[in-house]
Amino acid sequence: LAKTTQPISMDSYEGQEVNITCSHNNIATNDYITWYQQFPSQGPRFIIQGYKTKVTNEVASLFIPADRKSSTLSLPRVSLSDTAVYYCLAGTDKIIFGKGTRLHILP
Amino acid sequence: GAVVSQHPSRVICKSGTSVKIECRSLDFQATTMFWYRQFPKQSLMLMATSNEGSKATYEQGVEKDKFLINHASLTLSTLTVTSAHPEDSSFYICSARQTSGGKSEQFFGPGTRLTVL
Repeated sequence: LAKTTQPISMDSYEGQEVNITCSHNNIATNDYITWYQQFPSQGPRFIIQGYKTKVTNEVASLFIPADRKSSTLSLPRVSLSDTAVYYCLAGTDKIIFGKGTRLHILP
Repeated sequence: GAVVSQHPSRVICKSGTSVKIECRSLDFQATTMFWYRQFPKQSLMLMATSNEGSKATYEQGVEKDKFLINHASLTLSTLTVTSAHPEDSSFYICSARQTSGGKSEQFFGPGTRLTVL
């Protein structure tokens, strides 16, 4: 299981693009990288998943360099409702959560 | 994405009683489900892996006789907290794994808030 490291917290302003980087130096060859969002007293919500290069969906983009030892979640034009904890996970079978990044969006 | 439900969403019980929490995958079959526990301001901690038709696999430090897991069907796993005590009060979250085309995703339930008095 790859251990992940993320910034503990980040602040940004409404309308800005937010990039959260995660390192996973010992990622295995068949591991996917998945990001989840969690609001207080709710279960984590799937945001995006990727293996390499770039993946984009309707809410975010995920950038993964060629060595796959890190990844960056990009949230375009954040709003106050994006205030949450974001978890980066690298694995295929069971998921072990790291500490996550507490993102606080300011008006 | 796929939907996972949990029941109940919150429960309050007296110390010494047992509480059962259900986790259901509503629109897909899941041979593997996971149970997590989350304390305030902390991350999710994996408790056990629930495998349909076989015994659960518990993480180190989790008492299997206290946290009974049953995965009797491809859409239902249950976690029973036996002889609950105040220190068992926590937010319990399940997830179900969906595998398709060699890729797997985990979908999480909304969580169950357990308060033991």
